[in-house]
Amino acid sequence: ETGVTQTPRHLVMGMTNKKSLKCEQHLGHNAMYWYKQSAKKPLELMFVYSLEERVENNSVPSRFSPECPNSSHLFLHLHTLQPEDSALYLCASSQGLAGVMETQYFGPGTRLTVL
Amino acid sequence: AQKITQTQPGMFVQEKEAVTLDCTYDTSDPSYGLFWYKQPSSGEMIFLIYQGSYDQQNATEGRYSLNFQKARKSANLVISASQLGDSAMYFCAMRRYTGTASKLTFGTGTRLQVTL
Repeated sequence: ETGVTQTPRHLVMGMTNKKSLKCEQHLGHNAMYWYKQSAKKPLELMFVYSLEERVENNSVPSRFSPECPNSSHLFLHLHTLQPEDSALYLCASSQGLAGVMETQYFGPGTRLTVL
Repeated sequence: AQKITQTQPGMFVQEKEAVTLDCTYDTSDPSYGLFWYKQPSSGEMIFLIYQGSYDQQNATEGRYSLNFQKARKSANLVISASQLGDSAMYFCAMRRYTGTASKLTFGTGTRLQVTL
């Protein structure tokens, strides 16, 4: 079952391009997340949305712009990226409940390469 | 601040054997949750098992069990009867109580290779 889907799976873009990553969750969750996974570094939380409202922005450069039009969809708009932005971008969702046991479910990721 | 430490960058295990992946954590919160995820080469992070800080018993899910030692702040993952399909990256993560939405801190991961 593909509870969280991401498109595209692979993306190559130039530094002057504008592109968007899409995430969709089919789990009825209320919270969605963007993570960045670079080689040999822990996953970095970028953005958190709860009930379509951004609740966390971890000092992410403005060249990354998230959008959450509804609780099922999350976008990451990219513009004027740098080569060091090349990474695996993972989307996740969770129920959005208070409590420590809440589990996040991840999508397959978008492998981004910036030339 | 929270921190997760996974000291084994890579591990090898023979098929059908058991393997333990280490995870230690640091937090001052009285209530927290510990998670293990598996990431195959395809990239998707797959949730494996959860342990709450107040849980009296160690969590188990099929071939996965979590060896939770609260005083030592360790939450090691034990995989029994390893299979070739278990070859992947494994990440330990911790969630603190923060209200709505779930904020996880991840370790750097352990790459497990299952051999014949």
